Amino acid sequence: DAGVIQSPRHEVTEMGQEVTLRCKPISGHDYLFWYRQTMMRGLELLIYFNNNVPIDDSGMPEDRFSAKMPNASFSTLKIQPSEPRDSAVYFCASSLHPGTNTEAFFGQGTRLTVV
Amino acid sequence: AQKVTQAQTEISVVEKEDVTLDCVYETRDTTYYLFWYKQPPSGELVFLIRRNSFDEQNEISGRYSWNFQKSTSSFNFTITASQVVDSAVYFCALRETNSGYALNFGKGTSLLVTP
Repeated sequence: DAGVIQSPRHEVTEMGQEVTLRCKPISGHDYLFWYRQTMMRGLELLIYFNNNVPIDDSGMPEDRFSAKMPNASFSTLKIQPSEPRDSAVYFCASSLHPGTNTEAFFGQGTRLTVV
Repeated sequence: AQKVTQAQTEISVVEKEDVTLDCVYETRDTTYYLFWYKQPPSGELVFLIRRNSFDEQNEISGRYSWNFQKSTSSFNFTITASQVVDSAVYFCALRETNSGYALNFGKGTSLLVTP
C-alpha cells in the first residue's frame, strides 16, 4: 500500500485566500484524522471521521476551518479565509478502529504558510 | 492538562552512545495505548511502536528498546549505539479508550546524534 497520501506538500498563500488540503487514507482504514503541528501547541487533533462521518470536530479552531470526507478514499480540510496564524504543518492519519490494538499511520504532511 | 510529558526537550549525544528518551503519561482509563513516533528532518511522522495497557513486556527491536512501567506511568525509549540517522524528534503519545480516539502527543524530544 502507498500509505496515507497528502497534497500538496507545501502551500504558500496570501491572507484571506481559501486553502484546501487533501488526503487519501490507506485503503480499508475506516478512521481518518486531521492533526495540526505548530511550535507553540505541538501536535493537536482537529477532527476525525469514522466511515466518512465526522465524529469529533471539537479541535477545529474556528468556523473558518471545515473538513469533509465525501467517500472512503478522500478527505479535504479547507480554511476560508486563511490567516497568518494558520501557518502550520497539517497531517492526515488513518487507522483501523482505534479502540483496538492498532496504530495510526500518518501522511507526510502539508506545510502551510499564510503570508 | 498535559497527558503526556516528555521532560527532555533536546538531547545531544555522540555517535555510538546509548540514549534514553523519557515519557510519562497520565490517564484514568484502565485500557489505553501508548505509542512512539519518529519525525526525521524530512518532516513525516513514522510509527515506531505500540503498547497496550495490559502488556508490560519490554520490547527490543534492533537497537531500539522500550520499557513500559505502569507503576510509574512511564514508557521510556532507549536507543543503543546511536547513529547519526537517529537524529530526529521523537514523540510519545497516549490514546485512551474512554475519552475519544485522539492521540495525545507529548511535546517531543529532539535528539541530535553527532559523528
